[in-house]
Amino acid sequence: DAGVIQSPRHEVTEMGQEVTLRCKPISGHDYLFWYRQTMMRGLELLIYFNNNVPIDDSGMPEDRFSAKMPNASFSTLKIQPSEPRDSAVYFCASSLGPRPQYFGPGTRLTVL
Amino acid sequence: QKEVEQNSGPLSVPEGAIASLNCTYSDRGSQSFFWYRQYSGKSPELIMFIYSNGDKEDGRFTAQLNKASQYVSLLIRDSQPSDSATYLCAVNPSGGYQKVTFGIGTKLQVIP
Repeated sequence: DAGVIQSPRHEVTEMGQEVTLRCKPISGHDYLFWYRQTMMRGLELLIYFNNNVPIDDSGMPEDRFSAKMPNASFSTLKIQPSEPRDSAVYFCASSLGPRPQYFGPGTRLTVL
Repeated sequence: QKEVEQNSGPLSVPEGAIASLNCTYSDRGSQSFFWYRQYSGKSPELIMFIYSNGDKEDGRFTAQLNKASQYVSLLIRDSQPSDSATYLCAVNPSGGYQKVTFGIGTKLQVIP
């Protein structure tokens, strides 16, 4: 079975540009999570969805960040405008009900 | 105080030795505990989860949970160089499997 799929794997952009990260969860999973990982802060939960509905977005750092899940097989995380401090690895993870989460390969974002 | 505390290491052990990784958490009501392994440049991979006080063994890995003392540990027996990675402790404060909080991770180095 395919795992969680993320694209792009690497993104380099300039400050002020819009960035869109994409995620396809494992088929049949009903929870989807977006995380950000940095050396200083570790792995932080940004937002999670259940059955395509955002449940908790308290980890979203500010209004520049937004996430959507239009259907069960696709989610996006958008940063507009991007800033250098947004540089990090962004992970998407999914789970089936009350079971552990499985992570995608991540997107390494560099904002110059 | 951080919700989940880990020593960032690095923890160096010789090949064949037992590696002991520790984690403490602040929420006494926490119910679910997870250990993830993360190789450099890769995504976190679930290796163990534990819910009840005591030990849980899986091959060379043993997870130990002591809710009274609010700590969870991971023992790796017969450590191999391939075990060299960062080990992330994760805790769900309210039970279930959502909104997991991760520790910063402990970097393990197994010396041949």
